[in-house]
Amino acid sequence: QKEVEQNSGPLSVPEGAIASLNCTYSDRGSQSFFWYRQYSGKSPELIMSIYSNGDKEDGRFTAQLNKASQYVSLLIRDSQPSDSATYLCAVKERGSQGNLIFGKGTKLSVKP
Amino acid sequence: GAVVSQHPSRVICKSGTSVKIECRSLDFQATTMFWYRQFPKQSLMLMATSNEGSKATYEQGVEKDKFLINHASLTLSTLTVTSAHPEDSSFYICSARQSTDTQYFGPGTRLTVL
Repeated sequence: QKEVEQNSGPLSVPEGAIASLNCTYSDRGSQSFFWYRQYSGKSPELIMSIYSNGDKEDGRFTAQLNKASQYVSLLIRDSQPSDSATYLCAVKERGSQGNLIFGKGTKLSVKP
Repeated sequence: GAVVSQHPSRVICKSGTSVKIECRSLDFQATTMFWYRQFPKQSLMLMATSNEGSKATYEQGVEKDKFLINHASLTLSTLTVTSAHPEDSSFYICSARQSTDTQYFGPGTRLTVL
């Protein structure tokens, strides 16, 4: 059973701080990883994708991937109250038709 | 970025009726579309995967005769909830994928069955 694990939270950080969201996955052969943000009552929206070991930065967001440790994380710098949402980690199953396997999400709360 | 639309955004129906939800990729051709369901405070649950022109692949426990999926073109997939019952009330979300790995989600359809 392929699994993607996330701490459910809630993770609470003060405004301006760095929020660190973590995710582990069970399939060592996975190659594609995604972070989605989901506001309450809304559908997920893509924040970042990452495919190679190391860091990938996009504005205030940095995704980090370590395939040896089967670990992917998302850092949010200068957190804002508008970042308060549930963050979903998703890992694509191997193969061209691979579906995304989602974690249950980490709820982030940024306090003003 | 890629845009996926869903229609309707919200529907209320009586028990026993059928409801059709449309999912469209507006600015790209989607080789694969996915249908998810999400109950309040729970995670996304994949219902089925559909490729244009072929039958959908349903996840275990999802009744294919109750949730009819049609993927008639590279930009349109429909989900029909047949003979809906109150327990089918949920947030239904589609997503679409091009030839790349990335899935883009529609805004979702909130179904309430009375």
